[in-house]
Amino acid sequence: DAGVTQSPTHLIKTRGQQVTLRCSPKSGHDTVSWYQQALGQGPQFIFQYYEEEERQRGNFPDRFSGHQFPNYSSELNVNALLLGDSALYLCASSLKGISGNTIYFGEGSWLTVV
Amino acid sequence: GNSVTQMEGPVTLSEEAFLTINCTYTATGYPSLFWYVQYPGEGLQLLLKATKADDKGSNKGFEATYRKETTSFHLEKGSVQVSDSAVYFCALLNSGGYQKVTFGTGTKLQVIP
Repeated sequence: DAGVTQSPTHLIKTRGQQVTLRCSPKSGHDTVSWYQQALGQGPQFIFQYYEEEERQRGNFPDRFSGHQFPNYSSELNVNALLLGDSALYLCASSLKGISGNTIYFGEGSWLTVV
Repeated sequence: GNSVTQMEGPVTLSEEAFLTINCTYTATGYPSLFWYVQYPGEGLQLLLKATKADDKGSNKGFEATYRKETTSFHLEKGSVQVSDSAVYFCALLNSGGYQKVTFGTGTKLQVIP
């Protein structure tokens, strides 16, 4: 059973560019969340997708957007990249509505903005 | 809103020493509590969890007990190994509604031979 898979693993972008990160949730999971982890910090919640809609959003600007596909996989898009967007981006999957749920994280995508 | 506070690191211990990493939380309702571990250059791995008061989560010699009266979930291990060197994150998952995880800032543990 594959866990949460993310791609790409590492990437380097230039300020002002756009980036798309991808995530496939754990088999059987229907909810995908994205987190940003800056160096030396704990992960911060960006947003969550369920039934192909954004259901909850953290304190991130509109430059951060996402999408969920019918097969539950998801993309995170960041426009007009800033140096401060350099971070590890983590995807998490879960099954909505399950009490005491466990959230599973992928290995992350390391984004460096230069 | 929800928040998690954990002791600042780095924590440096000799091999076979006893480990405690303190974690306290603020939350509405009855959250689930987790400890995640992150090894250098890697993602987050679930170490253990507890879903209700007085539950004890355990894994790989690590333990933590959900203490509702003190809103705490301290991580302990009786004898640490060099391979335990990593960053440890305490986290909570709000009960009901949407499944947003709130993390602490992480505690770096370094175990020396």
